[in-house]
Amino acid sequence: DAGITQSPRHKVTETGTPVTLRCHQTENHRYMYWYRQDPGHGLRLIHYSYGVKDTDKGEVSDGYSVSRSKTEDFLLTLESATSSQTSVYFCAISEGGNTEAFFGQGTRLTVV
Amino acid sequence: KNQVEQSPQSLIILEGKNCTLQCNYTVSPFSNLRWYKQDTGRGPVSLTIMTFSENTKSNGRYTATLDADTKQSSLHITASQLSDSASYICVVIFNTNAGKSTFGDGTTLTVKP
Repeated sequence: DAGITQSPRHKVTETGTPVTLRCHQTENHRYMYWYRQDPGHGLRLIHYSYGVKDTDKGEVSDGYSVSRSKTEDFLLTLESATSSQTSVYFCAISEGGNTEAFFGQGTRLTVV
Repeated sequence: KNQVEQSPQSLIILEGKNCTLQCNYTVSPFSNLRWYKQDTGRGPVSLTIMTFSENTKSNGRYTATLDADTKQSSLHITASQLSDSASYICVVIFNTNAGKSTFGDGTTLTVKP
């Protein structure tokens, strides 16, 4: 999977608790993305990063924050998890904004 | 509003048969269009990337076409195999600086023996 590792792969958490998902790459790609995938919806962009400490919002960023302190790691944080954030989360990487994107295996998050 | 619509939503075919999946988009500005294959429980994997000037692109038994005038794309699968059973997702990139894109909901293909 193109040197992308997401952790954890599965997580169950309670409403109101903070959750952090990690995406780690070994490809030295500049761009990293967090998406969520829900039934009836295509993948939707949450946040993306175009370099260390350079991040921006996607179309469904409310309730999520991200950080990228080094090239290889992109963290997604749910400050206070809600049931509507139950989803499968995918990380993706690409060398440029217009180049092929490679996806991780996904993290299945359940908020109860 | 940028939209990508895929049809059919699901499709069942017999092994060895061909099939064509459709993608219509209303995304602007257009940068490129991609087709991904997503196996159950896994992340999407890129099949083809097509720019505005490309009409056809092949990747093995997969052939994608693009008509930028009518804003339509298709993915043709030849001589289907059981391993082709997956979801096929059409994606249109509209912001190359950020790699921002609009994803279709996908077509679920089931290939039966």
